Amino acid sequence: DAMVIQNPRYQVTQFGKPVTLSCSQTLNHNVMYWYQQKSSQAPKLLFHYYDKDFNNEADTPDNFQSRRPNTSFCFLDIRSPGLGDAAMYLCATSRVRDRTLAKNIQYFGAGTRLSVL
Amino acid sequence: GESVGLHLPTLSVQEGDNSIINCAYSNSASDYFIWYKQESGKGPQFIIDIRSNMDKRQGQRVTVLLNKTVKHLSLQIAATQPGDSAVYFCAEFLTGGGNKLTFGTGTQLKVEL
Repeated sequence: DAMVIQNPRYQVTQFGKPVTLSCSQTLNHNVMYWYQQKSSQAPKLLFHYYDKDFNNEADTPDNFQSRRPNTSFCFLDIRSPGLGDAAMYLCATSRVRDRTLAKNIQYFGAGTRLSVL
Repeated sequence: GESVGLHLPTLSVQEGDNSIINCAYSNSASDYFIWYKQESGKGPQFIIDIRSNMDKRQGQRVTVLLNKTVKHLSLQIAATQPGDSAVYFCAEFLTGGGNKLTFGTGTQLKVEL
């Protein structure tokens, strides 16, 4: 059974048209991440939520926003998608009980592949 | 077969042979490492992890070796099967570094029948 669920699996949007990708988890993990992955590249972290605390990566464009209304759900909003935003978007979760604990297994969803026309 | 990670992104092995996938990590202070397997069109899947106070850890058909002196990590897959075909990523973690994994460049493993 899928524990990190991303919807939809495939999303097509038009240039400049806002789009929202969703992620839900049944693991009750306190940390949720959003990554962007382009073809043949490693996942690139956009931001993460540690509980309700939002942590943005320094190089994440303002065009990308996120919301986490509760523990189970997290959304990725792309305000004005450009052609360069076409990619696989991955959601991941982890349980971090102690910020100093040296262990961080992240569990990934299947991803949403975004196409921008 | 054996890869050199960043410099050889594709590794081809015969079914039944052992595979060795290499990774050079960036931060000498990193204290935890993970190997992920990513099949085409899917999200990364956890394979095995290792803390920096260990130099070897074994799982089912997989072994991870850590050499902190040269900042090198390897994943050994025994008796490679067609289902092992995927891209493999190593990832490093630094305690207190912001709950983030830093992914290395992936290696494509192709298993030939």
